[in-house]
Amino acid sequence: DAGITQSPRHKVTETGTPVTLRCHQTENHRYMYWYRQDPGHGLRLIHYSYGVKDTDKGEVSDGYSVSRSKTEDFLLTLESATSSQTSVYFCAIKTDTNYGYTFGSGTRLTVV
Amino acid sequence: KNEVEQSPQNLTAQEGEFITINCSYSVGISALHWLQQHPGGGIVSLFMLSSGKKKHGRLIATINIQEKHSSLHITASHPRDSAVYICAVDGATNKLIFGTGTLLAVQP
Repeated sequence: DAGITQSPRHKVTETGTPVTLRCHQTENHRYMYWYRQDPGHGLRLIHYSYGVKDTDKGEVSDGYSVSRSKTEDFLLTLESATSSQTSVYFCAIKTDTNYGYTFGSGTRLTVV
Repeated sequence: KNEVEQSPQNLTAQEGEFITINCSYSVGISALHWLQQHPGGGIVSLFMLSSGKKKHGRLIATINIQEKHSSLHITASHPRDSAVYICAVDGATNKLIFGTGTLLAVQP
């Protein structure tokens, strides 16, 4: 199975502070994704990457930036966290297995 | 109109019942995915389908490409099957389009 790790698993931060979430894969899959999941909205794409230094915006990218300097790491940064960014964040990779996609365990972020 | 529609949104069943969750989509796809998420838990891929039918244990997934429709069946349902089931399609953009999910509760 493709290994994917998200860190941290939980974080509480104050409004206005920067926050970086990390997604790490143990293989060399090209596509990586960041989603947020909120009640009533389901999963929404924030940003995705199709290679090192190749990223693009998703449907809810405002207030977020990403970086991918190595194949295995995809970082999501909230430059100045707001309460509306309180959410559960999931990273995913597109694999070549029979299941297609593997999701991380999620990061529960609370902005107070 | 959403590109991926699931029904029902909520489903309550008694243990042992046969369950069907439906998914319809309106875009061209390379594959359709069924995902499972237990309350407060992570997201697990159950099936990836591009045609026909797949079976894993008590779960069966089918897809009809011509009708743009897929079904997820659970046979002999059990309380541990209680979860949100999400249909998602993979189009030409290497990005998933998600349905809104079906919340299943299986009562003992």
